[in-house]
Amino acid sequence: SAVISQKPSRDICQRGTSLTIQCQVDSQVTMMFWYRQQPGQSLTLIATANQGSEATYESGFVIDKFPISRPNLTFSTLTVSNMSPEDSSIYLCSVEYSTDTQYFGPGTRLTVL
Amino acid sequence: GQQLNQSPQSMFIQEGEDVSMNCTSSSIFNTWLWYKQDPGEGPVLLIALYKAGELTSNGRLTAQFGITRKDSFLNISASIPSDVGIYFCAGQLRTGTASKLTFGTGTRLQVTL
Repeated sequence: SAVISQKPSRDICQRGTSLTIQCQVDSQVTMMFWYRQQPGQSLTLIATANQGSEATYESGFVIDKFPISRPNLTFSTLTVSNMSPEDSSIYLCSVEYSTDTQYFGPGTRLTVL
Repeated sequence: GQQLNQSPQSMFIQEGEDVSMNCTSSSIFNTWLWYKQDPGEGPVLLIALYKAGELTSNGRLTAQFGITRKDSFLNISASIPSDVGIYFCAGQLRTGTASKLTFGTGTRLQVTL
């Protein structure tokens, strides 16, 4: 399995600001994903981070609000833009290997005041 | 987005008891995965199932991929206090080069001594 790290692990932000979350993997992977987990809820896929092209967003998530970068096969960022208290969640990245199995990072706990 | 129906939602059991939880979907999946999430952590993969009818064990954990490809169950035998946490099922569907993981609603397990 992969070693996946995320930065920051947690943050408290003011309404209207933006936060960029980083995800680093210790080996090259083709597929990287970003999820949101709202308080007390399950995980919801935000988008698939594609290397060298635009991310593929799920219904209900848009690039202007959640811009994603994937500059290489070991790194991706998710930005939460123009934040509101409703954006308070845990944001998780995951990676998938050829075994169709996803492994998750430790998550970034975001609180928006 | 779509979520899988997972039951029970929560359960209190005594140490040493066996636990069973299941997940059902209206859609078929290529792969079923079971994760455990501890507070403040990302989900950790417990078991992956790749074929309809497959029964797989990992220590005290046993999981099965339903014959219809629309359901899965997870059993934990002889529970111990460290089994406390939230368990999520997830169904993976691959279409071409795209891959999507859909999560269940979660089962919160609490173990009493």
